[in-house]
Amino acid sequence: DVKVTQSSRYLVKRTGEKVFLECVQDMDHENMFWYRQDPGLGLRLIYFSYDVKMKEKGDIPEGYSVSREKKERFSLILESASTNQTSMYLCASSPGQGAYEQYFGPGTRLTVT
Amino acid sequence: KQEVTQIPAALSVPEGENLVLNCSFTDSAIYNLQWFRQDPGKGLTSLLLIQSSQREQTSGRLNASLDKSSGRSTLYIAASQPGDSATYLCAVEVPDKLIFGTGTRLQVFP
Repeated sequence: DVKVTQSSRYLVKRTGEKVFLECVQDMDHENMFWYRQDPGLGLRLIYFSYDVKMKEKGDIPEGYSVSREKKERFSLILESASTNQTSMYLCASSPGQGAYEQYFGPGTRLTVT
Repeated sequence: KQEVTQIPAALSVPEGENLVLNCSFTDSAIYNLQWFRQDPGKGLTSLLLIQSSQREQTSGRLNASLDKSSGRSTLYIAASQPGDSATYLCAVEVPDKLIFGTGTRLQVFP
């Protein structure tokens, strides 16, 4: 079974802090994704990566950055957390495009106060 | 711009009913369509993936159909159970990403 793990289920940070969200997948998948999920807005893509050291902006990259130093790990970074970044953050991975499912981690509920 | 809509937004039914959840999308140029289940406060679990060349997929009591030309997919749940209570999300894959609907929140009561 594909397993996607995220470093924290719940996280509380203060405004202005630098925040790291970690995601690890164990199936040698090429592609990894970060989404945020908000009531009424659904899931929106923040960043994605097709390979090590490669990253592409999604629909809402402002205020975020990412790092993929190893194939199995994809990190989301909030350089200076703000209250409007309070959300559920979901990581996903897949072997490729087209015929492949995306597999999701359990999510990190981030609260910025 | 691709948009994905799910109707109804919420549904409450007694146990044993057969259900149909609807998903529509505005652009037929998709790689595939996926249905997911999400329990409260949890991540997404993939239920079914229908590739763009396929018409339907089945898994147990679940059956999903895809009509690309009309921009529609349905998820059929047979003989619903309280354990089916969750939010069901559909998503279409286009180059570089999945685009999600906002989901149907399903409650099945005993």
